[in-house]
Amino acid sequence: SSELTQDPAVSVALGQTVRITCQGDSLRTYYTSWYQQRPGQAPVLVIYIKNKRPSGIPDRFSGSSSGNTASLTITGAQAEDEADYYCESRDSSGDHVVFGGGTKLTVL
Amino acid sequence: QITLKESGPTLVTPTQTLTLTCTFSGFSLSTSGVGVGWIRQPPGQALEWLALIYWDDDKRYSPSLRSRLTITKDTSKDHVVLTMTNMDPVDTATYYCAHREVDYSVSPPFYYFDYWGQGTLVTVSS
Repeated sequence: SSELTQDPAVSVALGQTVRITCQGDSLRTYYTSWYQQRPGQAPVLVIYIKNKRPSGIPDRFSGSSSGNTASLTITGAQAEDEADYYCESRDSSGDHVVFGGGTKLTVL
Repeated sequence: QITLKESGPTLVTPTQTLTLTCTFSGFSLSTSGVGVGWIRQPPGQALEWLALIYWDDDKRYSPSLRSRLTITKDTSKDHVVLTMTNMDPVDTATYYCAHREVDYSVSPPFYYFDYWGQGTLVTVSS
C-alpha cells in the first residue's frame, strides 16, 4: 500500500474546475510533484514543489498544499486533461521515493 | 534536449534475472544533483518507484524490493543499468527510467522526475 493516498477517480464537467488531492504524513515535511499520464503514454511532470510548472504545461494547472494534503487544481478543465494523475514525494524516512495510487480524471 | 530510452528483454522466464539498460542523452550523470531513477507500472495499475542513482553514486532502493535490485551507472557511456533478480509473473510491468532533477531553491532540496523514457514492457512467463 502507498504512503500517499489519492481518490481513485474524479470527474469534472468540461470547462469547470477540479481538485485532485494527495494525503500523507510525509507531506507535512516534503513537497510534492504531480504527473499526468495519458493512456499508453509515459508520465509527464505537470507540477513540482508547491506550484512550479515545467515549460509547456498550461497555466490552468496549479498546485497547493496544507498540512498533510497536497492538491492539484485544474481550472477550466479541457478534454485533453482526461488522464491519470499521480502525486510523488518522499516517504516518512525521507530516504525513498513514493507515488500515490493515482487518480483517474474523467472530463464530462 | 534530454532523452532517455529503456532497453532489455521483453520476455523473461520466472526465477531469471532481468537486466534493463537506460541510455540517455542531453545530460551528464557527473553533474551535481542529477540522478536517474527506475519506475514500473503493472498493466492497469499505479506507478511504483524501484531505484535511484545520483551523480555521486548514492543509490536508493525501494524498501520492499531492495534485496532483488541493483542499480549501476556508466558515466562514460551515458547509461544506467538496473538488475532485478528472481523474476516472478507479478513483476510483469512497463519499466520506465527517468531523469531526476534537483531544485535548491527550497529546503530541503527538492528532487523530481522531469524527463521520462517511453517505457519497455517486460512480461514474466514460462
